[in-house]
Amino acid sequence: SAVISQKPSRDICQRGTSLTIQCQVDSQVTMMFWYRQQPGQSLTLIATANQGSEATYESGFVIDKFPISRPNLTFSTLTVSNMSPEDSSIYLCSAGGQTGYGYTFGSGTRLTVV
Amino acid sequence: KQEVTQIPAALSVPEGENLVLNCSFTDSAIYNLQWFRQDPGKGLTSLLLIQSSQREQTSGRLNASLDKSSGRSTLYIAASQPGDSATYLCAVRDSNYQLIWGAGTKLIIKP
Repeated sequence: SAVISQKPSRDICQRGTSLTIQCQVDSQVTMMFWYRQQPGQSLTLIATANQGSEATYESGFVIDKFPISRPNLTFSTLTVSNMSPEDSSIYLCSAGGQTGYGYTFGSGTRLTVV
Repeated sequence: KQEVTQIPAALSVPEGENLVLNCSFTDSAIYNLQWFRQDPGKGLTSLLLIQSSQREQTSGRLNASLDKSSGRSTLYIAASQPGDSATYLCAVRDSNYQLIWGAGTKLIIKP
């Protein structure tokens, strides 16, 4: 299965600023996913990112707040824009889902907004 | 709409015990079910993947079973160790390639 390198692993940011999270996959994957995990909760899907098309956002998430890039089959970025303390969470990227295969996750980005 | 439930929410056992974590889902039309482990503040590590046509999968001290007809999966951990302490999550894949998540079981193994 694919191996995903995610960075940064953690960051403390000032409110009103933006942070871009990067995920690099060691093989080509069609679908990548971005999740948010708020403290003490399970994962919530933010969006699905397919190469060559606009990301598909889940209810409650918008492109202006969470712009996503997917320039090729091995890389994706998620930007958390105009941050507020409510954005403090762990953000995770994932890839996989091809027939017969499961999903792999990056190591997560622990974001604290102050 | 698929819903995934994990019981118990938390479990604390002495080192060396065998234990079972439970995962149930409401819609039996799943593609596969995957068990993950998450250490505090970290990402997810895939433990076992069970395809819809399979009944169980094993990896080392871990064994996962799947009963689609009853909408249940179990994760069996043999001879538990303090290093097994983590949150265990199960997720089912739906027809849209998305994962539906349980809330997790927080496991503590006491030395």
